[in-house]
Amino acid sequence: EDQVTQSPEALRLQEGESSSLNCSYTVSGLRGLFWYRQDPGKGPEFLFTLYSAGEEKEKERLKATLTKKESFLHITAPKPEDSATYLCAVRGGSNYKLTFGKGTLLTVNP
Amino acid sequence: GAGVSQTPSNKVTEKGKYVELRCDPISGHTALYWYRQSLGQGPEFLIYFQGTGAADDSGLPNDRFFAVRPEGSVSTLKIQRTERGDSAVYLCASSQRGGDTGELFFGEGSRLTVL
Repeated sequence: EDQVTQSPEALRLQEGESSSLNCSYTVSGLRGLFWYRQDPGKGPEFLFTLYSAGEEKEKERLKATLTKKESFLHITAPKPEDSATYLCAVRGGSNYKLTFGKGTLLTVNP
Repeated sequence: GAGVSQTPSNKVTEKGKYVELRCDPISGHTALYWYRQSLGQGPEFLIYFQGTGAADDSGLPNDRFFAVRPEGSVSTLKIQRTERGDSAVYLCASSQRGGDTGELFFGEGSRLTVL
């Protein structure tokens, strides 16, 4: 069974204070690791897909990296509008479902 | 509309009642997913449709839950004999084909409260 563990559960940063979120995973035959952002009362919004160890993707202040056991979402010089819950998910084997972690609630204070 | 539309946005019902939740996916998206999200948890997979057929219903918790997508577009999630533990936000997502890129487009969800 695919498993995703995210840490920390919550992270509070000052504006401009860079940090990283962690996603550890167990999956049989990784077919993709995905990062989503979720704002309160909204559905998750797609950010990145990573397929293989060593791959990196960037978008504005966010950069996602992947190893064989975990992924990191690096946030550089965050702004208050980056405050959200960040969800990590994996797809494995021959199925199409995504298995999500519980997410990291990020709060960026001005 | 431009995005995935879910109705109702909020539903309050009594234990034992029947509820239907509707999802209108993005036009042209053949893949449709239902997820359930409880407070403080990530989305939990329920069912995946490719076209009209349920390609994977392994996440449905029991036989009180059923979903249909008769014309390959709109889908309805049906819950019989609701229980308090069914209270959650039910999320629908759609994607092109099977969503191989992992880019699912989610609706805002239907919040179900069972009293």
